[in-house]
Amino acid sequence: EAGVAQSPRYKIIEKRQSVAFWCNPISGHATLYWYQQILGQGPKLLIQFQNNGVVDDSQLPKDRFSAERLKGVDSTLKIQPAKLEDSAVYLCASSLDSGGALETQYFGPGTRLLVL
Amino acid sequence: QKEVEQNSGPLSVPEGAIASLNCTYSDRGSQSFFWYRQYSGKSPELIMSIYSNGDKEDGRFTAQLNKASQYVSLLIRDSQPSDSATYLCAVKMTNFGNEKLTFGTGTRLTIIP
Repeated sequence: EAGVAQSPRYKIIEKRQSVAFWCNPISGHATLYWYQQILGQGPKLLIQFQNNGVVDDSQLPKDRFSAERLKGVDSTLKIQPAKLEDSAVYLCASSLDSGGALETQYFGPGTRLLVL
Repeated sequence: QKEVEQNSGPLSVPEGAIASLNCTYSDRGSQSFFWYRQYSGKSPELIMSIYSNGDKEDGRFTAQLNKASQYVSLLIRDSQPSDSATYLCAVKMTNFGNEKLTFGTGTRLTIIP
């Protein structure tokens, strides 16, 4: 079974530029998550989709971050414009069903973003 | 108060000894608890999940949960150098009716040969 795929793996941009990350979850997984992991910290949930609907985006900085999962499969996370503090690893994860209490999340390899 | 607290370490343990990692959480209603291992530069990898009070064993790993004390721990027996990594404690918390996985900052474990 193929895992969660993400691209690109690395990205270096200058502040105020825009950047987009792509994620393809495990086949058949209904729920997709985007996390931000700053160096030395645990992952922080940015947004959770179930199929093509947003379940939780309470910690997404909506003035600069956006995400979509139009067909309920793959997803794109965008930052525009980027700030220095956005330098982090962006992790995509997926789970089989509704993301309930007993569900396990599986993580992709992540995209390392450096904003200069 | 942080929602999920871990000692950031580093925790150094001799090879072959038992490594003990601890985690406390703030939401008394939490039902699901996870331990992820994260090697440097890699993504988190699930190693244990636990839902009921008591111990759960899987090979060299034992997860312990005490909901009354809001405490979860991970024991690694016969520690190996390959166990050197950051261990993330994660707790599913209800947020406006949605189950959200909240991570601690992780404990960096080093196994000394």
